[in-house]
Amino acid sequence: ETGVTQTPRHLVMGMTNKKSLKCEQHLGHNAMYWYKQSAKKPLELMFVYSLEERVENNSVPSRFSPECPNSSHLFLHLHTLQPEDSALYLCASSQDGQGVGLRQYFGPGTRLTVL
Amino acid sequence: AQSVTQLGSHVSVSEGALVLLRCNYSSSVPPYLFWYVQYPNQGLQLLLKYTTGATLVKGINGFEAEFKKSETSFHLTKPSAHMSDAAEYFCAVSAYNQGGKLIFGQGTELSVKP
Repeated sequence: ETGVTQTPRHLVMGMTNKKSLKCEQHLGHNAMYWYKQSAKKPLELMFVYSLEERVENNSVPSRFSPECPNSSHLFLHLHTLQPEDSALYLCASSQDGQGVGLRQYFGPGTRLTVL
Repeated sequence: AQSVTQLGSHVSVSEGALVLLRCNYSSSVPPYLFWYVQYPNQGLQLLLKYTTGATLVKGINGFEAEFKKSETSFHLTKPSAHMSDAAEYFCAVSAYNQGGKLIFGQGTELSVKP
C-alpha cells in the first residue's frame, strides 16, 4: 500500500540534534497517529490527531513535538533525544479518529537511531 | 480498559503446516478485534478484523480468525503455511469507550521452514 508515506525511512541523529519526521496520507482520512515500535514491546501510541486537533497525548516526553498542519500531513519534531528513543516510528491514518472498529492504515515507518 | 496478550513471541512451522497464532483479549465492553501483519522493513497491514456478526472472519492470504467470547480469544489460523508468511503478526483490540484507539499485543514472529 502507498496510501501512507513516511520520510525519511532511516535517520541517525546525535542527542543534541533537531530533526523532523514527516508523514503524508493520500486516503482522504480525518485522523492520523504516531506510534513508537521498540524491539520486543507492544506498539506504543504516542499521539492522535482528529481533524487536525490533537485528541490524545500518551504521556510522551516533551522532546517529541507533533504538528498536524492539515488532515493530510503529520510531523514529529525531535529535539535532544536519548538513546532509548531509538525505535521504529510508525504513522497511521484512519477515516475517523473517534470511530470504533475502523481500520488504521500504516506507513512503512522511520527507523530512528540516536547516538 | 482493554488489553491483549499474544501467547508466544516466536512461532516456527514447516512449509505446508498449520499456522496457529494465539491472541487473548480483555475488555469490559464488546471488543473489536484485529490482526495485522508486518513484513520486514514495512508498516503494518490489516489481515482481518472482527466487529460484529459472524464469529469466523476470513482475511487476506488465506488467514482466518475466530472470535470466541467465552474464551476471550481471537486466534489466527492458516491451514497451510507458505514461505511468504514469515513476518510479525500483531493482534489488536478497540472498543467504543476508547474511540478509535487500538491496543496492540506484543507481536508474534512467525518463521516458516522449508
